Amino acid sequence: DIMMTQSPLSVAVTPGESASISCRSSKSLLHSNGITYLSWYLQRPEKSPQLLIYQISNLASGVSDRFSGSGSGTDFTLKISKVETEDVGIYYCVQFLEVPLTFGSGTKLEIK
Amino acid sequence: EVQLVESGEGLVQPGSSMKLSCVASGFTFSNYGMNWIRQAPKKGLEWIALIYYDSSSKYYADSVKGRFTISRDNSKNTLYLEMNSLRSEDTAMYYCAKWGGSSVDYWGQGVMVTVSS
Repeated sequence: DIMMTQSPLSVAVTPGESASISCRSSKSLLHSNGITYLSWYLQRPEKSPQLLIYQISNLASGVSDRFSGSGSGTDFTLKISKVETEDVGIYYCVQFLEVPLTFGSGTKLEIK
Repeated sequence: EVQLVESGEGLVQPGSSMKLSCVASGFTFSNYGMNWIRQAPKKGLEWIALIYYDSSSKYYADSVKGRFTISRDNSKNTLYLEMNSLRSEDTAMYYCAKWGGSSVDYWGQGVMVTVSS
């Protein structure tokens, strides 16, 4: 199974500042078709997860452009610019390269 | 608007069975693979099953293989999860989730399954 390792476990951010979350996979997520199967989700308190980013850096429909993704192969980063109170929740990276689909353990974002 | 509505929530005893349903709307259900993903209380997310758009292939996490069965009825726009030999560690919120090509793009609101004596 592909292991997904996220850091940090939690981050506290002042509104208006930026936050970065890292995700590392135990195997390259680059498929032979040229697509890297790495996505990011936000789970707000008491809500279902919401897709933020797919294929490393593509913004999902309706998602604020304050969210951006970068990386390649096995190392990926989610950046949240100008953090707002509505960004509070747990962020997960997920690999969709192969089954079993595997999730990072999550990063909790809190507001200072 | 894509909607995924799960049902079948409940409390069951260890060793018993339960079936969850997920009714889809807002997209052509028969064109997309579907997943079940669960989240134990205060824990992270765990993928448990995937079914292709035409039911030609099904995949399971080791934790549920042989006990859970994913299925679908494209004429009813409905996804199912049949769960047998339930254990306390199966206690979780269960989400149905639509495959979007390179990721899961939509999730249902989830249903709670509690396995306890």
